[in-house]
Amino acid sequence: NAGVTQTPKFRVLKTGQSMTLLCAQDMNHEYMYWYRQDPGMGLRLIHYSVGEGTTAKGEVPDGYNVSRLKKQNFLLGLESAAPSQTSVYFCASSYEQIGNQPQHFGDGTRLSIL
Amino acid sequence: ELKVEQNPLFLSMQEGKNYTIYCNYSTTSDRLYWYRQDPGKSLESLFVLLSNGAVKQEGRLMASLDTKARLSTLHITAAVHDLSATYFCAVEGRRDDKIIFGKGTRLHILP
Repeated sequence: NAGVTQTPKFRVLKTGQSMTLLCAQDMNHEYMYWYRQDPGMGLRLIHYSVGEGTTAKGEVPDGYNVSRLKKQNFLLGLESAAPSQTSVYFCASSYEQIGNQPQHFGDGTRLSIL
Repeated sequence: ELKVEQNPLFLSMQEGKNYTIYCNYSTTSDRLYWYRQDPGKSLESLFVLLSNGAVKQEGRLMASLDTKARLSTLHITAAVHDLSATYFCAVEGRRDDKIIFGKGTRLHILP
């Protein structure tokens, strides 16, 4: 079982460059989330999706865009990277808002913006 | 707006001692999660608490939820070094589908 897979695992960008982080899940989950983790800040929700074709803003959405064209994939885009976006990015997925299942997390993407 | 506060943010304790981590949240919710994170690793689910008065236990860890007080606790009994990690609580808002995390409690258990 792959679970939640994030690619790439590491990336270094220069200020102003763009890139896309990919999250793929094979559990047929409806909900998917992107978080960033910074020292002392916990995990902060960037964007999330409650189903294919839907997206919504989280706590810190500025500077990021997302797309959920397929149920199993959730893409996070940085159009013009800034040093403040240096962080570890985690993707998570879960079933609908019923039942008792927690979020399943990927292994993270460590992103450095120079 | 849902806000989640954990305390303490850092805890150093001796093996064999008991301690409690607190998680307060600001708006109505019936769904709270506890996770563990080891350095450089992803998050591992510990507990899912779904209703007022819910109590879950796994080994030396016990979590409880009081939705009226908007408070969850994670109690550690007779701590062992292997429990050293960062523990996060996360709360799911009732009005939307956001899951908001606390800042985490870094637990360091001295052997």
